[in-house]
Amino acid sequence: DAKTTQPNSMESNEEEPVHLPCNHSTISGTDYIHWYRQLPSQGPEYVIHGLTSNVNNRMASLAIAEDRKSSTLILHRATLRDAAVYYCILVIYGNKLVFGAGTILRVKS
Amino acid sequence: EPEVTQTPSHQVTQMGQEVILRCVPISNHLYFYWYRQILGQKVEFLVSFYNNEISEKSEIFDDQFSVERPDGSNFTLKIRSTKLEDSAMYFCASSGAPGQTNEKLFFGSGTQLSVL
Repeated sequence: DAKTTQPNSMESNEEEPVHLPCNHSTISGTDYIHWYRQLPSQGPEYVIHGLTSNVNNRMASLAIAEDRKSSTLILHRATLRDAAVYYCILVIYGNKLVFGAGTILRVKS
Repeated sequence: EPEVTQTPSHQVTQMGQEVILRCVPISNHLYFYWYRQILGQKVEFLVSFYNNEISEKSEIFDDQFSVERPDGSNFTLKIRSTKLEDSAMYFCASSGAPGQTNEKLFFGSGTQLSVL
């Protein structure tokens, strides 16, 4: 499974944008970039995924570098409910998710 | 919004006992999964299930583990003889409504298994 590298933790102020980086220098052409998050005491929750183009949904935006070796999850306005562990995962189409340690996001009021 | 439900939320058992963890996936989903998370550690893949058979399993999923879809709505994980190291939060997930890809997984809230 291709590896991703994420910062251990990040901190943000409430109502401000958050940019969560992910490096995946060994990504292959068939790997999709997935983001999940895990709120305290809950199961992982799908956030967004993409292949080459930037993606937007109601939860977040995903910006993918042109060479696909890195990506950034963007939360446009962080709220206290966004405090969670965020996982960047490379997935070959249809294959299982392999979770890393993720980034712990703390949101300050 | 439809959700994956898991029961019980907490299960305490004695070492060597059998446990069955139950899950009701989202009703029209076709792919089913079990993951587990030992306290303070990563979420680990156990098994995936499609078309009434296991499609992939991890090294963790040894002969002590089995999965079953006994009817059209439930998906179960059985541990035949529990060990202390089986203590973890177990997450069920489902994906892939007909006509959709199986890329977006929906997870339940988990069953906390404590083996004493």
